[in-house]
Amino acid sequence: KAGVTQTPRYLIKTRGQQVTLSCSPISGHRSVSWYQQTPGQGLQFLFEYFSETQRNKGNFPGRFSGRQFSNSRSEMNVSTLELGDSALYLCASSLVGMVGEKLFFGSGTQLSVL
Amino acid sequence: AQTVTQSQPEMSVQEAETVTLSCTYDTSESDYYLFWYKQPPSRQMILVIRQEAYKQQNATENRFSVNFQKAAKSFSLKISDSQLGDAAMYFCAYRSALDEKLTFGTGTRLTIIP
Repeated sequence: KAGVTQTPRYLIKTRGQQVTLSCSPISGHRSVSWYQQTPGQGLQFLFEYFSETQRNKGNFPGRFSGRQFSNSRSEMNVSTLELGDSALYLCASSLVGMVGEKLFFGSGTQLSVL
Repeated sequence: AQTVTQSQPEMSVQEAETVTLSCTYDTSESDYYLFWYKQPPSRQMILVIRQEAYKQQNATENRFSVNFQKAAKSFSLKISDSQLGDAAMYFCAYRSALDEKLTFGTGTRLTIIP
């Protein structure tokens, strides 16, 4: 079974631009969650999607948004990029998103904002 | 809001020896899960072990075991017979059954000395 796939692996953007990151979950998994990892703030929860609906959201500004498609693939979008958005963005999938479920993570997208 | 504290930014251990990583958390809730995740240089987070707060018995997964002290809000990870492949960042995480958000600690970098 293929793991969680995130594309692209690396991305360089400039301030003010927008970016879209993609996450394909493990086949059969319906829950996808996103995390931002930075040296300063550590790992922070962004949002979770289940069956095309946002089920949970972290404390991030509205510039961060996401969506999930009928095949459970998910995208996250960051508009009007700021230097502080430079981070590793990780997505994780699980079967139905229950609290105790094992999360399967992708290898992340490293975003650099210049 | 829940907080997770890992007081050891770095740890090292001789190969084949035992090492314990510390984690404390702060919560007023009674229903939650605790996790240890490992992040090797590949960046992909991997679940090491999980513990449900209602279970008094400490979780064990092969060479990995936890010491869960609910009253003290402590959740340490013991790695026995350390191997070179155990070298990684280790993150302690808390997931509330109430808001279902996953909160990570700042991580402990584990080095294995051959």
